[in-house]
Amino acid sequence: TQLLEQSPQFLSIQEGENLTVYCNSSSVFSSLQWYRQEPGEGPVLLVTVVTGGEVKKLKRLTFQFGDARKDSSLHITAAQPGDTGLYLCAGNPTGGGNKLTFGTGTQLKVEL
Amino acid sequence: ETGVTQTPRHLVMGMTNKKSLKCEQHLGHNAMYWYKQSAKKPLELMFVYSLEERVENNSVPSRFSPECPNSSHLFLHLHTLQPEDSALYLCASSRRAGTTIYNEQFFGPGTRLTVL
Repeated sequence: TQLLEQSPQFLSIQEGENLTVYCNSSSVFSSLQWYRQEPGEGPVLLVTVVTGGEVKKLKRLTFQFGDARKDSSLHITAAQPGDTGLYLCAGNPTGGGNKLTFGTGTQLKVEL
Repeated sequence: ETGVTQTPRHLVMGMTNKKSLKCEQHLGHNAMYWYKQSAKKPLELMFVYSLEERVENNSVPSRFSPECPNSSHLFLHLHTLQPEDSALYLCASSRRAGTTIYNEQFFGPGTRLTVL
């Protein structure tokens, strides 16, 4: 069974601070996605990374896929209260199929 | 708005009730999913339908019964549930395996289910 461990599990920071969330596995994935989920809503796709070492930027969010395609990180610069939510990584297993492996989640709270 | 709608948004039911959750996607996808999200647990995949055929059933108890009449609609029929089944039930859709390497999934807002 492929597992994705996220760290930290919880993070509470002040507006303007920077933070990094990690997503780690011992398994290789063909691609990896990051989602953000707000209370009372479903997860919303933020980005997909495919190539080992790939870096993608979405405004203040920077996503990186590990060289071996086993891990990923999400870095937020100058966090804002609107960044508050549950961040989930999800790996697409090698070999195809429709089954994503979701990470354990990181609950982020950004306070004024 | 993700293009995936779910009804109802909230449901309270007794253990002897029968109810159904509905999901509809307007994205032209042909794979649909049911997930269960409980507090302090990773998202749990329950069922996967690809081209209206069930391709995954993750050891889900028979008191949960999925139905996919066409590629745009997905139902989850519930009967004789237990209090531990209380959770957020999420529907998602994507392009089916073999047509994309990304498997990007688009989620509905979920149904918050409480079993008394």
